[in-house]
This record gives sequence, C-alpha cells and structure tokens, in this order.
Amino acid sequence: AQSVAQPEDQVNVAEGNPLTVKCTYSVSGNPYLFWYVQYPNRGLQFLLKYITGDNLVKGSYGFEAEFNKSQTSFHLKKPSALVSDSALYFCAVRDDNAGNMLTFGGGTRLMVKP
Amino acid sequence: DARVTQTPRHKVTEMGQEVTMRCQPILGHNTVFWYRQTMMQGLELLAYFRNRAPLDDSGMPKDRFSAEMPDATLATLKIQPSEPRDSAVYFCASGLALVDTQYFGPGTRLTVL
Repeated sequence: AQSVAQPEDQVNVAEGNPLTVKCTYSVSGNPYLFWYVQYPNRGLQFLLKYITGDNLVKGSYGFEAEFNKSQTSFHLKKPSALVSDSALYFCAVRDDNAGNMLTFGGGTRLMVKP
Repeated sequence: DARVTQTPRHKVTEMGQEVTMRCQPILGHNTVFWYRQTMMQGLELLAYFRNRAPLDDSGMPKDRFSAEMPDATLATLKIQPSEPRDSAVYFCASGLALVDTQYFGPGTRLTVL
C-alpha cells in the first residue's frame, strides 16, 4: 500500500531564511508526488509535482522540491521564506502500480516569522 | 480563471437532517474527487468519479453517505441522516485524468449539532 509521511507537525523559520518541509513516501511501483498548500479557510492549492524526469522540480511561488529515490523523499524547499508563505503544506503520493488514489500526508504547518 | 466551485460554503444543521453538498468541477475535467478534512483524521478520500461513473467510494460510510454526478457539471455528496461526527470540511477536486493534478474547491464547512 502507498503511504506518505510528513514527520514535522510544524516548522518555524525566520523571514529571509531558507525553508525545508520534509516528506517521505512508500510505494511498490513508481511514485507520482505532489505538494499542495492550504491557507486558512481555503481549499488546497497545487504547488508542484514530480512524475518523471529531472529530480529537481520547480513550482509556484518560488518553491521547489527534490525527488530522491534512494531516500524515498520529496522535500519541499524555498531559498528565502516570506511571512506570506505561512500556511499548511501537504505532500501526496500516488503509486502507479496500485490504483488511482492519491494519499495525502498529515500536513506540516509552516510559520514564517518577521 | 477556471476554478472548482462548491456550495454551500458553510452549513450548520441538526443531527438527523439531510445535508447535500454540491460541486461544479472545472469545465472539461473528467475526474472528480470528494475529500473530508478533520483535525483528527486529516484529509480522507471519500469517493471519486471518472466520466461521471463512480470508481471508488470505499472511503464513505455507505449507510448514510452517497455521491453522484447527475451531469458533467455537477457532483453531489449527500449525508442522510447527518451525525455530529460528520462535522468537517468537505472538499471537491477535479482533474483531467486520474493521474493528473487535482484542483480543489474552497470546501464546505459542515457543522452538525
């Protein structure tokens, strides 16, 4: 069965500093990996995805994520955090060998302080 | 700017009442998903459709929940009878294919008293 883990409930970072939000996954086949962001009282917004190809994926709002097959990770990164990046971030995985469901992690709350 | 729309945005009802939530997927998208979000359980997939046909509704309590797509522009999620434990935010999402990016609506916040 596919699964995804976000080991940190919350990440705190100062504005201007780099940020990393961690995600690890488990699949039996090849993974399709996604990052979404949720602002208060809003739906999830797509940030970026990895399907195949270059391991470094660039997405919206300056975010990027690196697919690491050996470590089964897909950490979200940004070189310089903004206060407006404060939100709830979800990693999701779909196993191409196990049906069509997207499995979401529990979410990580990112707090960027001025 | 194409978006998934959901109505109502908020619903407060009493236990035992019927609740119907509606979703309009992005025009042209042929897959629709229903999710439920709670603090305790996080995001749970309830059901999904492809070309209006239900493919999987194993995430739904069958005795009280039902999901349908009367046409390509409308998906509904119904709870009858509702219970306090159904209180959650219900999201609809649509996409071009099952493997494609899912685009989420703003959600319906349901409170069952």
